[in-house]
Amino acid sequence: DAGVIQSPRHEVTEMGQEVTLRCKPISGHNSLFWYRQTMMRGLELLIYFNNNVPIDDSGMPEDRFSAKMPNASFSTLKIQPSEPRDSAVYFCASSSGTSVAGELFFGEGSRLTVL
Amino acid sequence: AQSVTQLGSHVSVSEGALVLLRCNYSSSVPPYLFWYVQYPNQGLQLLLKYTSAATLVKGINGFEAEFKKSETSFHLTKPSAHMSDAAEYFCAVGLSGNTPLVFGKGTRLSVIA
Repeated sequence: DAGVIQSPRHEVTEMGQEVTLRCKPISGHNSLFWYRQTMMRGLELLIYFNNNVPIDDSGMPEDRFSAKMPNASFSTLKIQPSEPRDSAVYFCASSSGTSVAGELFFGEGSRLTVL
Repeated sequence: AQSVTQLGSHVSVSEGALVLLRCNYSSSVPPYLFWYVQYPNQGLQLLLKYTSAATLVKGINGFEAEFKKSETSFHLTKPSAHMSDAAEYFCAVGLSGNTPLVFGKGTRLSVIA
């Protein structure tokens, strides 16, 4: 399997612009997670889906952030409008099984820089 | 609710020396426990996991961890550090059901030649 695929790997944008990050989970995995990693806050869980349904989005920092999972093989994380404090590495991860507490498989991450 | 504490945000060892990275957890029921490693500019990858089988768990790259229920610990060790072990290490705890893994804040391991 190709693993979790994220795009773009790097994104540089200006404040106020819309940013869309994409994720393709491992085929057959039924849970998908979006994390944000910064030096200050470490690894933060933003939102997770189970069988394409958002289960908990309490980690999403503001209404500027939104995530969708239209089907089992694709998810997006959108920031609109973006701000410099959104600069971070965003990771997507997926897992299989009946529990969302199982082993996670991470993508390589999308490094976002907002100027 | 479960939580994870990693003692020491940065650990530095000499090449060939013992690596010991500490992880303590709190959980009301027997947990699943994981160690992940993150190399620079990469995602997290699984080193090893404990799922209530053997208490001593062997992982990749010569790492192992021992589950000690009485101490609520799951420390990561490696007998002899290599330069290639320099990375960030994360401990995580999970329970069955609908609560995602909880990650510690990570420990950055430096290996000195």
